[in-house]
Amino acid sequence: GAVVSQHPSWVICKSGTSVKIECRSLDFQATTMFWYRQFPKQSLMLMATSNEGSKATYEQGVEKDKFLINHASLTLSTLTVTSAHPEDSSFYICSAPVASGRGTQYFGPGTRLLVL
Amino acid sequence: QQPVQSPQAVILREGEDAVINCSSSKALYSVHWYRQKHGEAPVFLMILLKGGEQKGHEKISASFNEKKQQSSLYLTASQLSYSGTYFCGTEGFGSGAGSYQLTFGKGTKLSVIP
Repeated sequence: GAVVSQHPSWVICKSGTSVKIECRSLDFQATTMFWYRQFPKQSLMLMATSNEGSKATYEQGVEKDKFLINHASLTLSTLTVTSAHPEDSSFYICSAPVASGRGTQYFGPGTRLLVL
Repeated sequence: QQPVQSPQAVILREGEDAVINCSSSKALYSVHWYRQKHGEAPVFLMILLKGGEQKGHEKISASFNEKKQQSSLYLTASQLSYSGTYFCGTEGFGSGAGSYQLTFGKGTKLSVIP
């Protein structure tokens, strides 16, 4: 299957700092990527849709100024958690659909963020 | 609208079968099934697009009912490696052209024991 990578795998940071997470599609181009957040023992909650060449679309309740998304190229989307607080600690996962039409989404390995 | 998964959890002995259900109050464009092991990202299992569709292989398969409101994942002769949390992700109509957005159920935790 298609490969999506994320970097870093783990981040531990102090409260108030900003953290950047990268999501790359390694063997295909992705004009759209999705960012999810997953708290322990809970489902994946869509945070935002990252669109190459245009602004990201945020889900209701997700602060766009806190979670900055940049889709720099057809293979790279970044999520920056600004002024992180302990409640932002979570598992952040990106995904990308392979085909131009509706179809399979492949997930990155996820980034575990711990804010102290 | 979040799909409803059932059961929430199930414990099987190796070799036993299980069925996981995913339902929606509205017709769906597609249903995606994923398995997630602890601490890892979800891994794609299969996608169903057509009403009445059944796909997969003999050990892990899935169906999508004619009304496209319910999907079931069938795990037969379970193996220890099947343990994990299974999520269905659904795509509704009217999400917007090219949106591909999935809404995930709360998951079904499957534990296979020797």
